[in-house]
Amino acid sequence: DQQVKQNSPSLSVQEGRISILNCDYTNSMFDYFLWYKKYPAEGPTFLISISSIKDKNEDGRFTVFLNKSAKHLSLHIVPSQPGDSAVYFCAARGSNDYKLSFGAGTTVTVRA
Amino acid sequence: KAGVTQTPRYLIKTRGQQVTLSCSPISGHRSVSWYQQTPGQGLQFLFEYFSETQRNKGNFPGRFSGRQFSNSRSEMNVSTLELGDSALYLCASSPPGQGYTGELFFGEGSRLTVL
Repeated sequence: DQQVKQNSPSLSVQEGRISILNCDYTNSMFDYFLWYKKYPAEGPTFLISISSIKDKNEDGRFTVFLNKSAKHLSLHIVPSQPGDSAVYFCAARGSNDYKLSFGAGTTVTVRA
Repeated sequence: KAGVTQTPRYLIKTRGQQVTLSCSPISGHRSVSWYQQTPGQGLQFLFEYFSETQRNKGNFPGRFSGRQFSNSRSEMNVSTLELGDSALYLCASSPPGQGYTGELFFGEGSRLTVL
């Protein structure tokens, strides 16, 4: 069963605007959440993470928000740039897990 | 510092054959994980090894197996290949102390096509 869900398979945004990617999870034991970015023909690369004890983490243009009660997190990219065009994966793990549970990914296209 | 290296990058097999994929982690990384990526399914966890021991296994049939060597290099094997095994197989390593955060360093993957 898919414990991490990204319900939007694609997102198109104009350069300079905000990109908002959403992710929902079902497992209440998850306590660490990550976003990965993947370009074609490359492996995923770590982007940003957040612990369940926080509700926001910011790194440059990227901010992740966590709403534990709703089991929802989102990634904001401001401003969006053409180089941000990629597939973004949401992932989560529990404190005693050695694996990550990934969502299906959201393909972001930034239009010039 | 060299990244995670996976070989081969591309391979084509026929149904019923078996395949072995190799992964060399970043130097100093002792944990190696394998994931299968298929369209629409995201990355599905296969297994994770640490110091030659499998610590966790995903929900895949027994045809999928793996191992880790004393130098932390890892291999995964898929026997009796099926069409549905066509996927990108990704290997990831993580350094000591990073296990809890979940930050993984991925290789470029091995693209398997089963005909």
